[in-house]
Amino acid sequence: EDKVVQSPLSLVVHEGDTVTLNCSYEVTNFRSLLWYKQEKKAPTFLFMLTSSGIEKKSGRLSSILDKKELFSILNITATQTGDSAIYLCAVERRGGSNYKLTFGKGTLLTVNP
Amino acid sequence: EAGVAQSPRYKIIEKRQSVAFWCNPISGHATLYWYQQILGQGPKLLIQFQNNGVVDDSQLPKDRFSAERLKGVDSTLKIQPAKLEDSAVYLCASSLKLGLAGEPQQYFGPGTRLTVT
Repeated sequence: EDKVVQSPLSLVVHEGDTVTLNCSYEVTNFRSLLWYKQEKKAPTFLFMLTSSGIEKKSGRLSSILDKKELFSILNITATQTGDSAIYLCAVERRGGSNYKLTFGKGTLLTVNP
Repeated sequence: EAGVAQSPRYKIIEKRQSVAFWCNPISGHATLYWYQQILGQGPKLLIQFQNNGVVDDSQLPKDRFSAERLKGVDSTLKIQPAKLEDSAVYLCASSLKLGLAGEPQQYFGPGTRLTVT
């Protein structure tokens, strides 16, 4: 059974801090790892990672994948209150013609002013 | 481009009642997913459609849950009868094409928050 474990489960920081969120996984026929941000509505896509060691960057957010050690990190620098959300990690498995996402429980990030 | 539409946004029912949720995916998206997200958990896939065919329903509790996508566009998820543990947010997502290289990204709707009392 595919498994995705995120840590920490919750985190409280002050504006301007830098945070690192962790995601480890066990999945057969790995295809990609995805990060989503979930506020009070639907998850919104942040990054898709398929290759080890290649950093994806978008503004203050960045992410990298280690396929040997089976984990990914999501970094947020100079945090703002608008970064408060649940950050979900998901892995995509390939199985024949079927591609399936398995999500972790998420990390609840709270950024205080 | 319009996003994934879902209705209703909120629903409160008593246990043993039935409920139905509706989803309209992004135009042109062949693949549609229904997820259940219980408070404090990540989304769990219930069923996945490719056009109007079921690709994966291995985690759908088939004794009480059913879903259809008759014309390969919008979809309905039904629960009958509901149990207390069905209280969750039901998310619908769509993607352009199953297994399309570089485009696994799923676009999520706003969800339906179901409370079973």
